[in-house]
Amino acid sequence: GQNIDQPTEMTATEGAIVQINCTYQTSGFNGLFWYQQHAGEAPTFLSYNVLDGLEEKGRFSSFLSRSKGYSYLLLKELQMKDSASYLCAVRDLSTGANNLFFGTGTRLTVIP
Amino acid sequence: DAGVIQSPRHEVTEMGQEVTLRCKPISGHNSLFWYRQTMMRGLELLIYFNNNVPIDDSGMPEDRFSAKMPNASFSTLKIQPSEPRDSAVYFCASSLQNSGNTIYFGEGSWLTVV
Repeated sequence: GQNIDQPTEMTATEGAIVQINCTYQTSGFNGLFWYQQHAGEAPTFLSYNVLDGLEEKGRFSSFLSRSKGYSYLLLKELQMKDSASYLCAVRDLSTGANNLFFGTGTRLTVIP
Repeated sequence: DAGVIQSPRHEVTEMGQEVTLRCKPISGHNSLFWYRQTMMRGLELLIYFNNNVPIDDSGMPEDRFSAKMPNASFSTLKIQPSEPRDSAVYFCASSLQNSGNTIYFGEGSWLTVV
């Protein structure tokens, strides 16, 4: 099975940096994804890690440590529009080649 | 390019009625997923198809739920009879069948069963 944990809520200040952590336990790990979901909208893809290390994409970066079952999403220069839920998801080959299992999401509130 | 298209966007129905949700995946994608999202349980995978064939339906909550994919460009998720606890947002998503490819979500169908 899959066990994905991330904080329920976080608050950060506009212009600051915030790190959202995710830990997971899977039997057939084959990639970790981060999605952003604004209220009332669909999840949208942010990043993908399959090897250890940091992937940087503009203001957003994602890190993976497979040995520790750990990832984080780093958001820099926070903007008000970054207020959203951030979903950590893992691909688990033991249940099928392509489906993702999601955590319950971290609701980030950016304040002025 | 058109993304994943779902209908209806919103539906309110009475308990006991049949509900049919529809999905058109992104052209060329050969994997299709149905997810359900609630505040309590987050985003849960219900069923997914590869090349129109159901691969894993272990997430389907009970026999009242059924899903079909008669061709590569259309899928349905049916609930019969519906119950108030089925109220949720139902997302359809699609991808290419490749472990490196991401999943793209539709806008969701917001279902309320009263």
